[in-house]
Amino acid sequence: QKEVEQNSGPLSVPEGAIASLNCTYSDRGSQSFFWYRQYSGKSPELIMFIYSNGDKEDGRFTAQLNKASQYVSLLIRDSQPSDSATYLCAVYNNNDMRFGAGTRLTVKP
Amino acid sequence: EAQVTQNPRYLITVTGKKLTVTCSQNMNHEYMSWYRQDPGLGLRQIYYSMNVEVTDKGDVPEGYKVSRKEKRNFPLILESPSPNQTSLYFCASSLWAPLAGEGDTQYFGPGTRLTVL
Repeated sequence: QKEVEQNSGPLSVPEGAIASLNCTYSDRGSQSFFWYRQYSGKSPELIMFIYSNGDKEDGRFTAQLNKASQYVSLLIRDSQPSDSATYLCAVYNNNDMRFGAGTRLTVKP
Repeated sequence: EAQVTQNPRYLITVTGKKLTVTCSQNMNHEYMSWYRQDPGLGLRQIYYSMNVEVTDKGDVPEGYKVSRKEKRNFPLILESPSPNQTSLYFCASSLWAPLAGEGDTQYFGPGTRLTVL
C-alpha cells in the first residue's frame, strides 16, 4: 500500500517564527510532490510543487525534497496568523495521486 | 472567472437512492479527478480522467461511477449509496496530469458534503 504520512499536529508557532512541516512517502517511484493549504471548510489550494531533489523557494515558502530518504518538507518563514490552516502533502506517480492526512498549523499572534 | 463548480454543495439522502454530483470546469483542462475527504484519512482519489472518454480508477473506486463525455464535465454517480459513502467530495481539474510542469496545478471545486442515512 502506498502511504503518505504526515504528523497530524496541531503544530503551534508564534507569529514571525519558522514553521516546519514534514511528510514521508513509501512509493520510491514517486515523481512529483505537492503542498496544498486547506482552510477550514474550504477546498485545497496549491502552494508549491517540487520534482527534483533539493530546495525550491517561493516567497516565504520553501519546499525541500530528498528522494533517497523519501522525505519532503515545507518551511514557512515569518509565519503569519493567516497561515493557520491544514497543510496537505501530495505525492504523484503514474496517474496515482496520494495525499497525506494533513498537518494542522496554528500561528499565534 | 476560471473555476471548478460542483453541485449540489450539500446533500442528505437515503441508502440506495441513486444520485449524481456534477462537476464542471471552464478552463479547458484535460485532466479531471474526484476525491473524497474523511477525517484522519485525508484526500483519497476515487476516479480520474486523462481526457474525454478516458477514465480510470483511483484508490477508492468501489461504489462509484464516472463519465467524461465532454471535456468540461465529469459527473460522479453513486448508483446505490451506502452510509460509508458519507463524506466530503471534491472535484479537481488541471491542464495535464500532475506530473511535469507549470500546467499541472490542480484546481479544486468548493466541495460537496454528502450524508447517506
